[in-house]
Amino acid sequence: QVQLQESGPGLVKPSETLSLTCTVSGGSISNYYWSWIRQPPGKGLEWIGNIYYSGSTNYNPSLKSRVIISVDTSKNQFSLKLNSVTAADTAVYYCARGLTSLNVWGRGTLVTVSS
Amino acid sequence: EIVLTQSPGTLSLSPGERATLSCRASQSVSSSYLAWYQQKPGQAPRLLIYGASNRATGIPDRFTGSGSGTDFTLTISRLEPEDFAVYYCQQYGNSPIFTFGPGTKVDFK
Repeated sequence: QVQLQESGPGLVKPSETLSLTCTVSGGSISNYYWSWIRQPPGKGLEWIGNIYYSGSTNYNPSLKSRVIISVDTSKNQFSLKLNSVTAADTAVYYCARGLTSLNVWGRGTLVTVSS
Repeated sequence: EIVLTQSPGTLSLSPGERATLSCRASQSVSSSYLAWYQQKPGQAPRLLIYGASNRATGIPDRFTGSGSGTDFTLTISRLEPEDFAVYYCQQYGNSPIFTFGPGTKVDFK
């Protein structure tokens, strides 16, 4: 059974870069689309972007100028970088798998932006 | 951008009752690309329905998805205690590729 695990710093300073990694276990990263989604405390879900295992990406236009998603098939991992963060980027960040719907999710990791 | 609106915002019901949740899109959405998720406090969302009416693996048959075009519905035929949660609809298609509705909270009456 495929499992996803997010990892990275839980605290990031304003104006710096948020970096997270999602490790895929129990299956291959190949032949699937992989997404990042975030959820500010007490609010709804926002899709950040996705990547195909081959490296092609799609981003939410509202975040596109600040986001890079990359994949490392040798490590069965994909990553998120969000630069120039502000307090508004404080959220639980999830990684997930799927093309038209998301059928496997990580547990999520809380990232707080604060000095 | 397609905007999804969910109603009601909160649905207060008792176990055993029927829940009817609505998701309305600002433009027509292909039925193949409409999904529903359940989220409990402190947990990740869980896929319930994909393709508007197909139950995901392991989802009980008391969950039914229906609809087409701009109007979609999630029905829970008889609420179990574990069904009290927040439910989100999601569409796939135009940029941004994924958009979510604001959610409907099903809580205890």
